[in-house]
Parts: sequence; C-alpha cells; structure tokens
Amino acid sequence: QQQVKQSPQSLIVQKGGISIINCAYENTAFDYFPWYQQFPGKGPALLIAIRPDVSEKKEGRFTISFNKSAKQFSLHIMDSQPGDSATYFCAASNQGGKLIFGQGTELSVKP
Amino acid sequence: GAVVSQHPSRVICKSGTSVKIECRSLDFQATTMFWYRQFPKQSLMLMATSNEGSKATYEQGVEKDKFLINHASLTLSTLTVTSAHPEDSSFYICSADPTGGSGYTFGSGTRLTVV
Repeated sequence: QQQVKQSPQSLIVQKGGISIINCAYENTAFDYFPWYQQFPGKGPALLIAIRPDVSEKKEGRFTISFNKSAKQFSLHIMDSQPGDSATYFCAASNQGGKLIFGQGTELSVKP
Repeated sequence: GAVVSQHPSRVICKSGTSVKIECRSLDFQATTMFWYRQFPKQSLMLMATSNEGSKATYEQGVEKDKFLINHASLTLSTLTVTSAHPEDSSFYICSADPTGGSGYTFGSGTRLTVV
C-alpha cells in the first residue's frame, strides 16, 4: 500500500514534443505529490509538486495532472528540449512524513 | 532557496574501513533529515530518518550497526558506513525539509566505491 508505481520506464521524445509520465498510488493518506528531475551523478531536484485539493498545477513547461478518484497523477513536459533529458521520479508522502518514490523514468529528448 | 550540502561528493575506500558522509542544511534548520541509497538505474531507497538529538529510525532491512547515523545539531547529520564492503558501493543522498511540510531538498549525493 506504500508503493508508488511509475511508467513508462523509459521514454524517447522528439524535440518540441510532449513528454508524459504517469504514476499511481494506493495509500489514500498521501497528501503531497512531487516530481523530481535527476541528472547523472547528481541528487534529485524538485520540479513541481501538487496537493490533492487541486486537479492541475502548471509551472512553465511542466504540468501535473492529478486524479484523486483514480489515485493517479502525471507529469506533462511541453515543448520538450534535449536539456530535459534526465531521469524523472514521482513521489508521495503523508503529512510531512517520508517520501515514497516511483521507479523512475529515463527521458531522452532527440534533437 | 534552501540548500542541502553533502560532502564528500566522491569517496573510494578499502574494504573493511569506515567512511563518513556529511549532510548540512546551509540556510535552514532541520530537525529531521533523510538518508537514501540509490543503485545504478534504480530509484531512491530510504535507509533511515535522522532525528536531531535522538536516535535515527531505520527502514526495514537496513543494518543499524553498519550504517551509523548521528544528528548532533540542527544543521548537520552524518552517515558512517562501517566495515565497508564492495556491495556497499552506491550513491548515497540526504535530504531535509526546510518548510516543515514535505518540501524536501536533496543534497548532491556521495558516490561511494569500496575496493
């Protein structure tokens, strides 16, 4: 019940395209859903996060869509650029507790 | 913005020796810090929660005596890998929450190689 399932495992997108990564969770007590971007040899960096009282949050080219009834949330990267090539992790936590990470998605944006 | 500094970024040690990794919150106080381990091409796995002034809480399957955690101040937590073996080689990352509400900031990680 503590798992966060992420898909796809890898994704190849053409420059300018839309990258979509999906996550699903079981624990309805989760109340914070962040997305992290990680480059090789670096720690994860927070991209964008959402709480379950809203269905969508947009920051620049990054958008989180949240479906509380389906217990799913997704990251959309608009106008994907080669510099977006990285590993993306979704995560979830409960009231300031520990983060539970998804399995990660390796995104490659082709020029 | 909130910064978590981790040191060293890379360390190579001989099998059987101990290695200490430091995690500092530079511009905020952190009563709680988290330590993760990440193997190549895998996700981050929480090892333990470090609590200032008290004992760390370890996740199931993590050896307390092997991974010693000390959180002696509100800005510093240390992870000591004792009697390191090649299988302990991994990427270790710490995090802390400057907002008190799940807004975790991660350090840049430490690549440990045990030879």
